[in-house]
Amino acid sequence: NAGVTQTPKFRILKIGQSMTLQCTQDMNHNYMYWYRQDPGMGLKLIYYSVGAGITDKGEVPNGYNVSRSTTEDFPLRLELAAPSQTSVYFCASNPTGRDEQYFGPGTRLTVT
Amino acid sequence: QKEVEQNSGPLSVPEGAIASLNCTYSDRVSQSFFWYRQYSGKSPELIMSIYSNGDKEDGRFTAQLNKASQYVSLLIRDSQPSDSATYLCAVNQGGSEKLVFGKGMKLTVNP
Repeated sequence: NAGVTQTPKFRILKIGQSMTLQCTQDMNHNYMYWYRQDPGMGLKLIYYSVGAGITDKGEVPNGYNVSRSTTEDFPLRLELAAPSQTSVYFCASNPTGRDEQYFGPGTRLTVT
Repeated sequence: QKEVEQNSGPLSVPEGAIASLNCTYSDRVSQSFFWYRQYSGKSPELIMSIYSNGDKEDGRFTAQLNKASQYVSLLIRDSQPSDSATYLCAVNQGGSEKLVFGKGMKLTVNP
């Protein structure tokens, strides 16, 4: 199993550009999550999904959108990138919603 | 938003010492508690999970949970330089499928 994979690893965006961060898991987990981590801070939940077709907002959803058309994939869309979205983004999954979350390697995004 | 608080640190201990990391949480109905280790530039990885009051030991690591005091801790015995990392406390929010993370404590183990 590859576990949770994320692409790209690094990206630099100009203000106002858009992009999609990809996340895929091959563990057949129903629950998937997107977090951002700013320097010296913990993880903040952006969006999460409890299964295909179902998504919900987390603590910091503004400026982001998600979709969940399959169990495996949970892409995160940034529209009109702003410097405040400069961060490291982690995708995670777990099977039941209450167990350990398995994290992907992260995407380091810089908006200038 | 329920809170998870960790001492901001950083914490520095000599090799072979015991490192003690502490975490308090505000949501009384939380049921699942996790300690993650995060090396610089890497993703978090699970060290310990604990679900009931008391101690849980796994090798050099011991997690302690006290639900009455809303307190969870991680002890690392015989600390090694390879334990140097940031440790994140995570608590499930109100029995839901969401985790709330603390800000993390940076631990340095000096040879």
